Amino acid sequence: GQNIDQPTEMTATEGAIVQINCTYQTSGFNGLFWYQQHAGEAPTFLSYNVLDGLEEKGRFSSFLSRSKGYSYLLLKELQMKDSASYLCAVRDSNYQLIWGAGTKLIIKP
Amino acid sequence: SQTIHQWPATLVQPVGSPLSLECTVEGTSNPNLYWYRQAAGRGLQLLFYSVGIGQISSEVPQNLSASRPQDRQFILSSKKLLLSDSGFYLCAWSLERVYGYTFGSGTRLTVV
Repeated sequence: GQNIDQPTEMTATEGAIVQINCTYQTSGFNGLFWYQQHAGEAPTFLSYNVLDGLEEKGRFSSFLSRSKGYSYLLLKELQMKDSASYLCAVRDSNYQLIWGAGTKLIIKP
Repeated sequence: SQTIHQWPATLVQPVGSPLSLECTVEGTSNPNLYWYRQAAGRGLQLLFYSVGIGQISSEVPQNLSASRPQDRQFILSSKKLLLSDSGFYLCAWSLERVYGYTFGSGTRLTVV
């Protein structure tokens, strides 16, 4: 079966750095997405990786290792507004998105 | 620019009542459209997707159905709601299958 694993919940301090990991086992691979979802709202696109390596976008970076079936989302200089769930999704060989259950990130002052 | 509209934002319905959720996309043509359900603490579950008018693919057997009467309109329906239909319903669109998804604002459905 297809599976996306990410931690259920993480806690970090304002101003610090946090890394959210995602491991996947899917039928084929055609890209990995990270989405941010604030409570009660729709997910919004953060990043997309299809090749190995690091993609940096402001305070957020996303890393991919296809050989390891692994990605992480790195958030720097954490702000209180970063408190949200972060969803990892992998596009399989049929171009369907397989979603992880999300990681709830709690930021403390 | 492209926008996606989904309504209503919240809905409380009794068991056995019908359901109709609507989603429309503006600013693009022939989008791929999706209906997802998100249960608390769980990942997004794909319910239906459509690559064109009248073309609906169902991913999960359930008492829900979907229709696409117009290019940019996607409707989720049920004839008789069950308690288990409660959840957060999200409509999304993408341009071609190779691009990411943009989500509507979601509908919080509570079946009582």
